[in-house]
Amino acid sequence: KAGVTQTPRYLIKTRGQQVTLSCSPISGHRSVSWYQQTPGQGLQFLFEYFSETQRNKGNFPGRFSGRQFSNSRSEMNVSTLELGDSALYLCASSWLVAAGANVLTFGAGSRLTVL
Amino acid sequence: KNEVEQSPQNLTAQEGEFITINCSYSVGISALHWLQQHPGGGIVSLFMLSSGKKKHGRLIATINIQEKHSSLHITASHPRDSAVYICAVGETSGSRLTFGEGTQLTVNP
Repeated sequence: KAGVTQTPRYLIKTRGQQVTLSCSPISGHRSVSWYQQTPGQGLQFLFEYFSETQRNKGNFPGRFSGRQFSNSRSEMNVSTLELGDSALYLCASSWLVAAGANVLTFGAGSRLTVL
Repeated sequence: KNEVEQSPQNLTAQEGEFITINCSYSVGISALHWLQQHPGGGIVSLFMLSSGKKKHGRLIATINIQEKHSSLHITASHPRDSAVYICAVGETSGSRLTFGEGTQLTVNP
């Protein structure tokens, strides 16, 4: 069965622009969680969605937002991009809510470069 | 002090050696995860455990809840095991994951 699909895989933006990243979970998985990975900060939890509702949010500014659709696909948006937003953005899906307490399947990531 | 500490940060081994990576955490958890990340970024979940020990092939993960410590062991290491190994803990609420800094493992033939 298909894995977790993230699009786009690579993108380049300039400061001040906004970006939308997409994540399609494994069929049947209803939880999607998002993570940011940078060389300086490592992996950090952004947020988790389950049944179209945000269940938890990490310590990121309001420029980072997300949503989940009825088919469990999720998008995250970053507005007013800053250089420090350059990172690998990963999503993961699981059957149940509470990403930290369930086996996760990760996507390949979207690598964002902000110039 | 980070909530999740891994050691060592870097590890170089010869093929066939027994490898241990350690993870200590300071918060209450619902589960602990061991993840593997290869160059290019893709992450694979190796184990999720909340007590005891799990084994999958040459990989073994243990956790001691009282001591807030987990270990990942690789027996008979192979160059294809070269990757970054990341420990992550799920908060007691279950939702948020907190990650260690990772251990870069290089296994030489």
